Amino acid sequence: EAGVVQSPRYKIIEKKQPVAFWCNPISGHNTLYWYLQNLGQGPELLIRYENEEAVDDSQLPKDRFSAERLKGVDSTLKIQPAELGDSAVYLCASSLGAGQDLGGRTGELFFGEGSRLTVL
Amino acid sequence: AQTVTQSQPEMSVQEAETVTLSCTYDTSESNYYLFWYKQPPSRQMILVIRQEAYKQQNATENRFSVNFQKAAKSFSLKISDSQLGDTAMYFCSNSGGSNYKLTFGKGTLLTVNP
Repeated sequence: EAGVVQSPRYKIIEKKQPVAFWCNPISGHNTLYWYLQNLGQGPELLIRYENEEAVDDSQLPKDRFSAERLKGVDSTLKIQPAELGDSAVYLCASSLGAGQDLGGRTGELFFGEGSRLTVL
Repeated sequence: AQTVTQSQPEMSVQEAETVTLSCTYDTSESNYYLFWYKQPPSRQMILVIRQEAYKQQNATENRFSVNFQKAAKSFSLKISDSQLGDTAMYFCSNSGGSNYKLTFGKGTLLTVNP
């Protein structure tokens, strides 16, 4: 079974430039998450999708961040313009959604390797 | 609102010995799940062990076990026979209610020494 795939793994940009991250979740997973992980910290949720609907984007800074999940599969997270404080790892995760619990795996998230952003 | 607190930023243990990582949480949900995730250096986060709050029996997965104290809202992870490959950041997390939203602690960096 293929895991969650993210790209790029690393990105270095100048401040005020745009950047985009892409995520391909595990096949069949309805729920997709974008998390922000600062150095030495735990992941913090930015946005959660159920299929193509963003059901929780309360922590997404909407002035500069945007996300989409077309056709309920792949997702893109964009930052425009990037600021120095955006330097972090952006994690994508997927999970079985509500009503999909098979084998008692409710709530388990499967993470990608992350996209490390450095803003200079 | 859910909160997760890990009070040990770093810990170390000798290979083959046992170590316990602490975690406390708070939630208003009556039905929830607790998890320990492992994040090795420069590698993806993976699930170590999971506990359903309505189950009194502590979960175990090979060398990993938990001590779940529901009344105290405590969820510690015990690693027996520590191996070098156990070196990683360990995150405690809580998924409450029906929204499957995981809240993570700040993590504990565990180093297993040879």
